Amino acid sequence: AQTVTQSQPEMSVQEAETVTLSCTYDTSESDYYLFWYKQPPSRQMILVIRQEAYKQQNATENRFSVNFQKAAKSFSLKISDSQLGDAAMYFCAYRSGGGGSNYKLTFGKGTLLTVNP
Amino acid sequence: DSGVTQTPKHLITATGQRVTLRCSPRSGDLSVYWYQQSLDQGLQFLIQYYNGEERAKGNILERFSAQQFPDLHSELNLSSLELGDSALYFCASSLHPGQGSGYTFGSGTRLTVV
Repeated sequence: AQTVTQSQPEMSVQEAETVTLSCTYDTSESDYYLFWYKQPPSRQMILVIRQEAYKQQNATENRFSVNFQKAAKSFSLKISDSQLGDAAMYFCAYRSGGGGSNYKLTFGKGTLLTVNP
Repeated sequence: DSGVTQTPKHLITATGQRVTLRCSPRSGDLSVYWYQQSLDQGLQFLIQYYNGEERAKGNILERFSAQQFPDLHSELNLSSLELGDSALYFCASSLHPGQGSGYTFGSGTRLTVV
């Protein structure tokens, strides 16, 4: 079974600074997807960024980018120019890309990000 | 607004009772997924439906059941409720199972069992 580990329960960053959240995963599959979801105090789960395992290029969405290291099974999230609205719980998630019906998302335990003004 | 609608937003009930949580997927989405979020277990996958059919089961208790109706809305039924069932229950949807663009989540139903 796949597992997702987020080793940082909490992180803090100063407004306008850059922060990196870590995520590692364990899988024997070669085809899969990785996601970062954000859960602000409103508790809504919001997709931040996604990465397809077969793509070498790291995904980028505005101020959010990932460092995907397939061999190391690492998928970190970098937030540049941090804003107060970035404060939230961030979850790393894995999803199998292969055939069959096992398309569930497996989540890490989350990292609580605090942004200090 | 994500387009995935969950009702009710909050629910308080007593142990031993039965409740039904409702989810309307985003317009056009055929797949529905249910997740439970609790402090000790984190986000756990419960069950997935695609176009009315059950596709995958996760850590769903026998006291829990779900279904997806012809209009694609889904209901999660929780019975013989215990204190430990208190959690945030999320519904998510996607066009097809395994859609690589990710799933869209609703805002959840907060269930409190007293």
